[in-house]
Amino acid sequence: GAVVSQHPSRVICKSGTSVKIECRSLDFQATTMFWYRQFPKQSLMLMATSNEGSKATYEQGVEKDKFLINHASLTLSTLTVTSAHPEDSSFYICSAKAATEAFFGQGTRLTVV
Amino acid sequence: AQSVTQPDIHITVSEGASLELRCNYSYGATPYLFWYVQSPGQGLQLLLKYFSGDTLVQGIKGFEAEFKRSQSSFNLRKPSVHWSDAAEYFCAVGANDMRFGAGTRLTVKP
Repeated sequence: GAVVSQHPSRVICKSGTSVKIECRSLDFQATTMFWYRQFPKQSLMLMATSNEGSKATYEQGVEKDKFLINHASLTLSTLTVTSAHPEDSSFYICSAKAATEAFFGQGTRLTVV
Repeated sequence: AQSVTQPDIHITVSEGASLELRCNYSYGATPYLFWYVQSPGQGLQLLLKYFSGDTLVQGIKGFEAEFKRSQSSFNLRKPSVHWSDAAEYFCAVGANDMRFGAGTRLTVKP
């Protein structure tokens, strides 16, 4: 199947700093990518839909100024958590859509201290 | 709006026993349905998917699922569970943005 690479897998940052997470489709082009957040022992919650060359569509309750999404190419979407706080600590997962199926990255564990 | 319900938060089965994980969905049209498995700290692995056609879908690792429109269900089954099947299982629905159920944690007893 298609491969989606997410980087970094783990990151620890200080409160108030920004962190960028990359999501790459390695062997296919993805006009649409998705960003999810998963709290411990909970399900994946869709944060936003990232469309190549246009603005992301955010789910209700997700702060677009805090979670900046850029989908500059057909193989790369980035999520930047700005001015991170401890409550932003979570597992972030991206997915990229190829035809009718979405392929998921391995996730990024963000810890804000 | 599309949504998914997984009624069982945690299920424990003995190794070698059969397994059924429940999933009910709400969707306005013919749903695209998926089952994923997630090991701790890992991403998601697709087990199987249903778009149309045969309502009994075969997946990887010996899993299968049956789409029942009348019951709005897409339950996951495996005839004989292995210890390595212990993980979190998610049912999802959606053609573009996917909505996930709360997940069912499977524990396998020796």
